[in-house]
Amino acid sequence: DQQVKQNSPSLSVQEGRISILNCDYTNSMFDYFLWYKKYPAEGPTFLISISSIKDKNEDGRFTVFLNKSAKHLSLHIVPSQPGDSAVYFCAATNSGGSNYKLTFGKGTLLTVNP
Amino acid sequence: DTEVTQTPKHLVMGMTNKKSLKCEQHMGHRAMYWYKQKAKKPPELMFVYSYEKLSINESVPSRFSPECPNSSLLNLHLHALQPEDSALYLCASSQRNSIYGYTFGSGTRLTVV
Repeated sequence: DQQVKQNSPSLSVQEGRISILNCDYTNSMFDYFLWYKKYPAEGPTFLISISSIKDKNEDGRFTVFLNKSAKHLSLHIVPSQPGDSAVYFCAATNSGGSNYKLTFGKGTLLTVNP
Repeated sequence: DTEVTQTPKHLVMGMTNKKSLKCEQHMGHRAMYWYKQKAKKPPELMFVYSYEKLSINESVPSRFSPECPNSSLLNLHLHALQPEDSALYLCASSQRNSIYGYTFGSGTRLTVV
């Protein structure tokens, strides 16, 4: 049972345009969400996160939006740059108690074309 | 120091070998993790250590044996692995009792022959 879903395996955008990566979750206990960027043969690099008490978090070119009622979040990258080309993973967890487990989606391969 | 360092970066081992993967962090994080990632799949949690004690074992086969000698080090001992265990093994750490600052290492690419 996949609790975090990224239904688009790949996305291709032109440099300078907006990239929108989507993520859906099913577990109502998730209250903290993270986006990671991953290059081949490297570990995931943290990009941005959002708590369920917020609906938006912004950091430079990266903005994450959370719609709790729809159990949906999205990552916006504006403007997109060729160096942004990588696999993007959405991850979720319950930040309370002793549960430190991150549950990842399958990832979306973003390609930004010059 | 804001890094999680994993060694070796690549490892090839036979099914009868014994080897160890090492992970080190000096950020004062008290939670450390092992994840396994197969090609074109998301990372999957294997083990969690909190304050040097094993707190989560995601039903991992006993041929994988974790060890946390101190708050900065995490090892994964490997014995009698199968070819299907070939994967990228990722170590991560985070602040005490929290997912804040959850940082991954670059991983060890393991090939079992």
